[in-house]
Amino acid sequence: QKEVEQNSGPLSVPEGAIASLNCTYSDRGSQSFFWYRQYSGKSPELIMFIYSNGDKEDGRFTAQLNKASQYVSLLIRDSQPSDSATYLCAVNQSNDYKLSFGAGTTVTVRA
Amino acid sequence: EAGVTQFPSHSVIEKGQTVTLRCDPISGHDNLYWYRRVMGKEIKFLLHFVKESKQDESGMPNNRFLAERTGGTYSTLKVQPAELEDSGVYFCASSQLAGGENEQFFGPGTRLTVL
Repeated sequence: QKEVEQNSGPLSVPEGAIASLNCTYSDRGSQSFFWYRQYSGKSPELIMFIYSNGDKEDGRFTAQLNKASQYVSLLIRDSQPSDSATYLCAVNQSNDYKLSFGAGTTVTVRA
Repeated sequence: EAGVTQFPSHSVIEKGQTVTLRCDPISGHDNLYWYRRVMGKEIKFLLHFVKESKQDESGMPNNRFLAERTGGTYSTLKVQPAELEDSGVYFCASSQLAGGENEQFFGPGTRLTVL
């Protein structure tokens, strides 16, 4: 079982729609959860982090965390072509600083 | 504020040669990490420095890899001798020491190709 799993892509959504990305993790003691966006050939860019159960909103992005279900998601509202990228879910396991990454979900927003 | 920088951006070497990658973290960040992504796989942790000390090197694949962080500033990752399976993108990241809220900022990566 992989430590962090993301829903397989690619995910194609029309401009203006909501893109929904899912991530599950295996270590129940995981503390911190991050979403990175990576454009092709560029560095992963931190766009959201969440530490507590519930929702966290930042602009068009909403992260949702459910520790009981070991599930974290990212919603992108009003998707724009500039949101087209690979989104990486990363988890900080308990008492540790290293990140465990999922394989990423590639999102394409159609104009 | 300057971000994490890495050098070189690309390196192509032959099997058996040596390559040294460099990472300059964000100024003031005590924590420095090396990760790599090999073809088709997820990004994997290699090691973690706190200042000049190796905190965790559990992800280093074997003794052909040597990481240093002299003076707690920039870090180097040397691969000697390089093997074909070492090809991939090597990322460096840095963070401030902040307990569990460990937001890591990544550099652009070094794409290593071993022929």
